[in-house]
Amino acid sequence: NAGVTQTPKFQVLKTGQSMTLQCAQDMNHEYMSWYRQDPGMGLRLIHYSVGAGITDQGEVPNGYNVSRSTTEDFPLRLLSAAPSQTSVYFCASRAPGQGKGETQYFGPGTRLLVL
Amino acid sequence: DAKTTQPNSMESNEEEPVHLPCNHSTISGTDYIHWYRQLPSQGPEYVIHGLTSNVNNRMASLAIAEDRKSSTLILHRATLRDAAVYYCILRPYSGAGSYQLTFGKGTKLSVIP
Repeated sequence: NAGVTQTPKFQVLKTGQSMTLQCAQDMNHEYMSWYRQDPGMGLRLIHYSVGAGITDQGEVPNGYNVSRSTTEDFPLRLLSAAPSQTSVYFCASRAPGQGKGETQYFGPGTRLLVL
Repeated sequence: DAKTTQPNSMESNEEEPVHLPCNHSTISGTDYIHWYRQLPSQGPEYVIHGLTSNVNNRMASLAIAEDRKSSTLILHRATLRDAAVYYCILRPYSGAGSYQLTFGKGTKLSVIP
């Protein structure tokens, strides 16, 4: 299994540009989520999904959009990039329920710089 | 949401045991205690979790106080690869909060050769 993959690894945007951060998992996990991590801080939840067609907002959803058309993919869209969105973005997935479902798997991250 | 308190940083000598403390005095009866770690420039990785009883796995041990208001992550023999930020996280058993992990700033562990 490749686990959770994210593309691109690094991206530079100009203020006002839009882009999509890609996330995919091959573990057939129902739960997927997006976090951002600012320097010296812990991760904060942006959006999450409990299955295909179902998404909900996390702690810091403003300026971001998500959709979940398949179990495998959970893209994050920046509608109009702002310097405040400069951060490292992590995608994560886990199975529902207890046991193995307790383990959340994180991708390697996308480093985004907005000028 | 129940919060956790961890020291900002700790140091350990290589091959020595490390005890990383976490206080969670407002924990509810249905909160699981999770530990994740984040190596430099990587995403977080799962370490261990528990509810009431002490837990062991190949990476670490988790000691949970009888009143569940604190816990300790134990690395039995620290290696250089264990240098990371360790996060103690409470996750509800069910409900909307069960879908996410709420990260604090964690404890930065430095391992001295």
